[in-house]
Amino acid sequence: GNSVTQMEGPVTLSEEAFLTINCTYTATGYPSLFWYVQYPGEGLQLLLKATKADDKGSNKGFEATYRKETTSFHLEKGSVQVSDSAVYFCALRGTGNQFYFGTGTSLTVIP
Amino acid sequence: EAGVAQSPRYKIIEKRQSVAFWCNPISGHATLYWYQQILGQGPKLLIQFQNNGVVDDSQLPKDRFSAERLKGVDSTLKIQPAKLEDSAVYLCASSLEGLAGFYEQYFGPGTRLTVT
Repeated sequence: GNSVTQMEGPVTLSEEAFLTINCTYTATGYPSLFWYVQYPGEGLQLLLKATKADDKGSNKGFEATYRKETTSFHLEKGSVQVSDSAVYFCALRGTGNQFYFGTGTSLTVIP
Repeated sequence: EAGVAQSPRYKIIEKRQSVAFWCNPISGHATLYWYQQILGQGPKLLIQFQNNGVVDDSQLPKDRFSAERLKGVDSTLKIQPAKLEDSAVYLCASSLEGLAGFYEQYFGPGTRLTVT
């Protein structure tokens, strides 16, 4: 079946620190992979996506590369800001267009 | 472009009562999803509609949950009777059929349900 496993939080970083949030997946076929972000008091928003192996998704300084060999889609940012404080969800879309979400990783960036 | 609308935003009920949530997707979006997000967890898909047909309801507790999407637009999700473990945020999302095969989901603000 399909599932997503992401690193547990919470994660606390100082401003300008490097961020990595790990995500691995299990899927049949060739899923598409996503990172969603939920800012405090707001709804889920798509942050970035990758639809096939070796694709790199990027947005707002965040990047993630679809690694089929390691079934991973780790989220990275070189220099985090206070405004990046949010909950980040890794997700996959299966062959039937159904979405599966990880449990979320809470990030707090302190000045 | 108006986003996905949901109502009510908050609801408190006692166990064994019934409750209904409403969702209005983005105009023209063929696919509609209902998710349950329990505190501290990721969203779990309950049911997915394509127009007014059900694509996937494998994780919908059908003994107490029901959903419909009349005329392929608005949708309602009902719980009857509610249990304490149904306390969660219920999210509605919609997506547009695309030729490229990628369907970005747009999420509504959610309905926070508390069952006491």
